[in-house]
Amino acid sequence: AQSVTQPDIHITVSEGASLELRCNYSYGATPYLFWYVQSPGQGLQLLLKYFSGDTLVQGIKGFEAEFKRSQSSFNLRKPSVHWSDAAEYFCAVATLTSGTYKYIFGTGTRLKVLA
Amino acid sequence: GAGVSQSPRYKVAKRGQDVALRCDPISGHVSLFWYQQALGQGPEFLTYFQNEAQLDKSGLPSDRFFAERPEGSVSTLKIQRTQQEDSAVYLCASSFSTFQGDEQFFGPGTRLTVL
Repeated sequence: AQSVTQPDIHITVSEGASLELRCNYSYGATPYLFWYVQSPGQGLQLLLKYFSGDTLVQGIKGFEAEFKRSQSSFNLRKPSVHWSDAAEYFCAVATLTSGTYKYIFGTGTRLKVLA
Repeated sequence: GAGVSQSPRYKVAKRGQDVALRCDPISGHVSLFWYQQALGQGPEFLTYFQNEAQLDKSGLPSDRFFAERPEGSVSTLKIQRTQQEDSAVYLCASSFSTFQGDEQFFGPGTRLTVL
């Protein structure tokens, strides 16, 4: 079955500390992977995406993610967290079935940043 | 407009009422998606349009849910005889083409509360 797992529901880090948010996926074909951020009252904003090439992808706001096929993982990282990064983060895989596609999202990780 | 817009932003309905939620995608975007996001969960796929054609409605939870995009631009999600379990945020997203790796641009959502 196609699925995305984000094992950490909540993460708290201090401002300036490094961050890693975990994402594991289950999908039989070549995965198209995305990380989105959702701030309160806002729509989802794309941070970065991967579907081929270099397994380390750079995104906006200083985020990066590494695709590891052997571990079916696509973890999001940031070297130094800012207070404005506090939000909910969603990992998603784009699946293709019968010629149409859709995203399957994880349940999200809520990030809290301590001053 | 510059982004995806949705209206109303908030809707309170009494159980049994019908509601209609509107989505204005980015002009020229071929693909349009509806997702349902329950509290504390990730978005879950409801339905997909390619222009005016509804190609996938596998995520609609019951026959009380109906979506249309008659002219290939604006879309409406209608819920008949609302139930309390329909309370959620309904997200609309659009993308430029039908390519699986395209970014989906999300609207701010409509928060539906059924009393």
